[in-house]
Formats: sequence, structure tokens, C-alpha cells
Amino acid sequence: NAGVTQTPKFQVLKTGQSMTLQCAQDMNHEYMSWYRQDPGMGLRLIHYSVGAGITDQGEVPNGYNVSRSTTEDFPLRLLSAAPSQTSVYFCASSYFKWDRGLEQYFGPGTRLTVT
Amino acid sequence: AQSVTQLDSHVSVSEGTPVLLRCNYSSSYSPSLFWYVQHPNKGLQLLLKYTSAATLVKGINGFEAEFKKSETSFHLTKPSAHMSDAAEYFCVVSSGNTPLVFGKGTRLSVIA
Repeated sequence: NAGVTQTPKFQVLKTGQSMTLQCAQDMNHEYMSWYRQDPGMGLRLIHYSVGAGITDQGEVPNGYNVSRSTTEDFPLRLLSAAPSQTSVYFCASSYFKWDRGLEQYFGPGTRLTVT
Repeated sequence: AQSVTQLDSHVSVSEGTPVLLRCNYSSSYSPSLFWYVQHPNKGLQLLLKYTSAATLVKGINGFEAEFKKSETSFHLTKPSAHMSDAAEYFCVVSSGNTPLVFGKGTRLSVIA
């Protein structure tokens, strides 16, 4: 199993450009989520999905779109990048068991800089 | 609603001395609690997890945490710090199948 993969690892964008951060998992997990990490802020939830075709907003959704057409993929789209979106982005996939709670697996992260 | 408060943004200890990283949580339901570690420019690694079994949870690398419901705390401890423990530590809460909620992190420095 490759686990959770993210591409690209690094990206530099100019203000106003658009791009898609890719996330894929091969563990057949129902739940997937996107976080951003900023210094002193921990990880904050952007969007999450509880299954194909179902997405919901997290704590900081503005400026980001998601879709979940398959169980495996959960891309994050920046429609018009802003310097405030400079961050490290983590994708995660997870499954839930009543006796073990949420088992979450994180991708390696994408470092995005918007100039 | 759930939340996590990490009481110290930075903790500095000498090598060989005990480590205590403090975490308080708020959750409407029975929580699952986690500690993650992140070394510089690295990804997230799960240290340990509490899910309503034993209240004292042992993790990797000699870390452990105790769930105290009456104090709504889940502090992380290690008897003897090692230089390789220097990293950022995150306390995290979840309830049922809700997404994880992270604390803001505690940076641990270990002095030789």
C-alpha cells in the first residue's frame, strides 16, 4: 500500500493563479480531509469528506473548493491564490471503528508559497 | 463542539530530565485523544492514542499520557528527555467519527 500520497511536494504560485493539490489513498477509507498548517496555529481543517459525493466545510474553507468523485481521490482547488494561502497542506484519510475511534493517516504534505 | 488547549507554546528541558507537555480538552461526547509529533520539515507521526480503554496510555519512544476526565486533561510525559525528542507536539481531540481538532502545538527544546 502506498498509503496517502500528495502531489506536488512543493509549489510556488503568483497571486491570482489557480491550481489543484492532489491527494490519493489506496486504503479504501471513507473519510478524507484537508488541513493547513501555519506557524503557531496547529493544523486547521479546510474541508472534509465522509464518502464519495459528500463533502463539508471545516474551520477555514474560504478560498478552497473540493470534490470527491471517487473513494480514492480528494483534490483541493485554489481558484485564485492569495498570499494568505501560503502554508503547508496535509491530506488525511481515515476510518472509524467504535472500539478504536478514528484511525487517521496523513500524507507527507505540500508546501505552497504564493507571491 | 470540541476544542483543545495546549497550555505551553514552548517547553525547554535539559537532556535526561522529565518532559511534561500539558493539554486540556473540551468535548460534548466521549472523546478520543491523540498526541502527534512533528520533527522539523517532516510529516506528522502518531505518538499515542486514547479511546476509552485504559486511562494511562503508552506510546512510542517512551512517551505516555494519562486521561483525566475530572480535569479534562491529557498531559504527555516522558521520564527522561533525549536530544532526538526536540520537535513540535500536537494534542488532538475527536469524538466518534468527527474530524480531528488540533491544538496549536508545543515546541519542545532539549538542551544538552
